[in-house]
Amino acid sequence: QSALTQAASVSGSPGQSITISCTGTSSDVGAYNYVSWYQHHPGKAPKLMLYDVNKRPSGVSNRFSGSKSGNMASLTISGLQPEDEADYYCSAFTTSRTYVFGTGTKVTVL
Amino acid sequence: EVELVESGGGVVQPGGSLRLSCAASGLIFNKYWMSWVRQAPGKGLEWVANIKHDGSEKFYVDSVRGRFTISTDNAKDSLYLQMNSLRAEDTALYYCASDPSDGYHDYWGQGTLVTVSS
Repeated sequence: QSALTQAASVSGSPGQSITISCTGTSSDVGAYNYVSWYQHHPGKAPKLMLYDVNKRPSGVSNRFSGSKSGNMASLTISGLQPEDEADYYCSAFTTSRTYVFGTGTKVTVL
Repeated sequence: EVELVESGGGVVQPGGSLRLSCAASGLIFNKYWMSWVRQAPGKGLEWVANIKHDGSEKFYVDSVRGRFTISTDNAKDSLYLQMNSLRAEDTALYYCASDPSDGYHDYWGQGTLVTVSS
């Protein structure tokens, strides 16, 4: 149950697009299309941004999109905005019916 | 509106016990799986455990299996985490979250802080 691997930080200017990758194994990311992404401001409740790889909950901007290939998933934020600055975590449902989170990526809007 | 409110956190000595609670409102509690997720200071999110709405299935991360027990009370729309044999590395902000189906957590509480220290 090792954490999924994410880059520690990603930055971009307003209006740009950034992509955060999430690498796991065939027992988690690669096993099912059960990858989700969360936006988190430390000390506050995490917010679900994407689920089932690329589905957006009601109220989440269509600037957020997701994809998966093999054991790697990605979150793309298009048209970066200052309010997007936060920590982002991927999560995958595993073949053991548990969950594993990614190491987290701090997104900075320059 | 869905609301999850955690309580029960505090300071406890190594080897001690603590019971966390999560009160749910605005969702059909007996239709959901529920999870506990924690964040240690300066660290990332870590899934801890989850439970099926009827309590018939429970799963744990390896580091807490045998020490923590997850449970629910559907009559009170409440989720619990009994934590025994606590260690310094269990120090974290503990969140409860709802799992509408396999694969993700849609609603989260604000968390309750557990500090294990002598």
